[in-house]
Amino acid sequence: KAGVTQTPRYLIKTRGQQVTLSCSPISGHRSVSWYQQTPGQGLQFLFEYFSETQRNKGNFPGRFSGRQFSNSRSEMNVSTLELGDSALYLCASSLEGDASYNEQFFGPGTRLTVL
Amino acid sequence: AQRVTQPEKLLSVFKGAPVELKCNYSYSGSPELFWYVQYSRQRLQLLLRHISRESIKGFTADLNKGETSFHLKKPFAQEEDSAMYYCALFTGGGNKLTFGTGTQLKVEL
Repeated sequence: KAGVTQTPRYLIKTRGQQVTLSCSPISGHRSVSWYQQTPGQGLQFLFEYFSETQRNKGNFPGRFSGRQFSNSRSEMNVSTLELGDSALYLCASSLEGDASYNEQFFGPGTRLTVL
Repeated sequence: AQRVTQPEKLLSVFKGAPVELKCNYSYSGSPELFWYVQYSRQRLQLLLRHISRESIKGFTADLNKGETSFHLKKPFAQEEDSAMYYCALFTGGGNKLTFGTGTQLKVEL
């Protein structure tokens, strides 16, 4: 089975712009979660989508949003980019249910640099 | 609010020495704890979860609710254990995990 894929792998944007990141989960997986990884804060949960609905949300401003399509692919969008948004954005997918039973599989990440 | 603390950013040990990576959590309910590992140039992956009570690659971790800890241990470190280790907490509902800031383990020859 192919693993979780994320596109693009690298992205450079300037302050004030917006960006869209894409995540394709493992075939058959219906849950997609997004995390922001920075050297100072580590991994922080952004949101989770399951069956096209947001199931969980972290403590990020409204500039961060996401969605999931009927094929379980997910996108996240960041509007009005700030320098502090520079990070590695990780996507993870899992089967139905929750983390008690199902392992989350992570993608390689999208490295976003905001200048 | 839930929180995971990994007090050591870097832990350096010699090959063959015991390893203990510390993890403490803050949560008033019944937690589920995980250890994730990221080897150089590889993806983040699950190492073990406390409910499985299994040993993976020689690593074990016991949940101590009294001390709110979930330390990762291995009796004899190997060079291939060098990696970044993250402790994660799950408190129910969906797949939201709260991660610690990670500990870089370096096994020296």
